[in-house]
Amino acid sequence: EDKVVQSPLSLVVHEGDTVTLNCSYEVTNFRSLLWYKQEKKAPTFLFMLTSSGIEKKSGRLSSILDKKELFSILNITATQTGDSAVYLCAVEYNFNKFYFGSGTKLNVKP
Amino acid sequence: DTGVSQDPRHKITKRGQNVTFRCDPISEHNRLYWYRQTLGQGPEFLTYFQNEAQLEKSRLLSDRFSAERPKGSFSTLEIQRTEQGDSAMYLCASSSIRRQGMAYEQYFGPGTRLTVT
Repeated sequence: EDKVVQSPLSLVVHEGDTVTLNCSYEVTNFRSLLWYKQEKKAPTFLFMLTSSGIEKKSGRLSSILDKKELFSILNITATQTGDSAVYLCAVEYNFNKFYFGSGTKLNVKP
Repeated sequence: DTGVSQDPRHKITKRGQNVTFRCDPISEHNRLYWYRQTLGQGPEFLTYFQNEAQLEKSRLLSDRFSAERPKGSFSTLEIQRTEQGDSAMYLCASSSIRRQGMAYEQYFGPGTRLTVT
């Protein structure tokens, strides 16, 4: 059965901490993995990863994919309260179908 | 605003009533997706369109659910004879297709929150 599992389910840190969010997957015909940030509204796109070992970076956020071990990590350095959100991992498989994980809820305290 | 829009943003209905939601995608996007999201869960795929063609429907989409995209632009999602279990956020997303057939990232609308009483 296809699945996408995110860990941890929730995380509480203080401003300035570095966090690592995990996403593992088992799907048929994997095509890409995407990370989204969801505050109290619709998800907003962060990264799309298709190749193993190539880090994608945007400011304090970075992500990498391991297609052999079937997982991805999302790193956030020097966290800020504005990073508080649910981070969703989605896997594209079987020609443009997307399977989402349940998300990691990050709470950054001042 | 050139993003994905959805209407209405909130809908409260009584069990057994029919409801219809609308999604207007980003104008140049030919792929349109519908998802359902409940509290504490990620979005669950319901169906998607490429232009006006509905290419796939999830088994979650019972016969009470129907979606259309008649002219390849906006889409509607109708739920007939609503049940309390239909209460959720209904999200629409759109994307383009890369030349190799892979989708670009999806852009989500603000969602329609349905409450069935």
